[in-house]
Amino acid sequence: AQKVTQAQTEISVVEKEDVTLDCVYETRDTTYYLFWYKQPPSGELVFLIRRNSFDEQNEISGRYSWNFQKSTSSFNFTITASQVVDSAVYFCALADSNYQLIWGAGTKLIIKP
Amino acid sequence: ETGVTQTPRHLVMGMTNKKSLKCEQHLGHNAMYWYKQSAKKPLELMFVYSLEERVENNSVPSRFSPECPNSSHLFLHLHTLQPEDSALYLCASSQDQRGGTYEQYFGPGTRLTVT
Repeated sequence: AQKVTQAQTEISVVEKEDVTLDCVYETRDTTYYLFWYKQPPSGELVFLIRRNSFDEQNEISGRYSWNFQKSTSSFNFTITASQVVDSAVYFCALADSNYQLIWGAGTKLIIKP
Repeated sequence: ETGVTQTPRHLVMGMTNKKSLKCEQHLGHNAMYWYKQSAKKPLELMFVYSLEERVENNSVPSRFSPECPNSSHLFLHLHTLQPEDSALYLCASSQDQRGGTYEQYFGPGTRLTVT
């Protein structure tokens, strides 16, 4: 069965701290895609990254970085030097063999000034 | 307009009303989606359209009726809803549901309250 687990329901840190959001997935497919989305209080889900199962290179985009580890079925997301504007709910998702997105429950990130 | 737009942004309706949600994408995508987001629940995929044909209906009650007249527009017709249908309804589009680019781009959602 396909499944995405975001065990951290809510994380609260002080601005400028680094924070890592965990994502663990389950799939029997050898080809799959993983995603991260951000949902700020306005409600709109914003696409952050897509990673396919054959590319285990870590990705860095500014203060954001992603660590994909097939051995542990994890796709973790780190924000370096967090800012208040990073406060949002972050979702990890898995595209299955039918290309439907299977979503995690989300992690609410609170950045305190 | 850019991206994915949804109207109305907020809707309050009684259980006997009929209303429609509208979604429009300006990205040239071929696939469109309706999701339901309830508090403390993962996003629930309701409907998927690819090239204006419905390809997925995840056992959604018949009181929700989708319509996709063309690849840019998607509607969700609502009738005789229940209070538990109150949620944020999100529309999304992607380049192709079956291959190619998979990331979905979302609209701001319609916050629906059923009284």
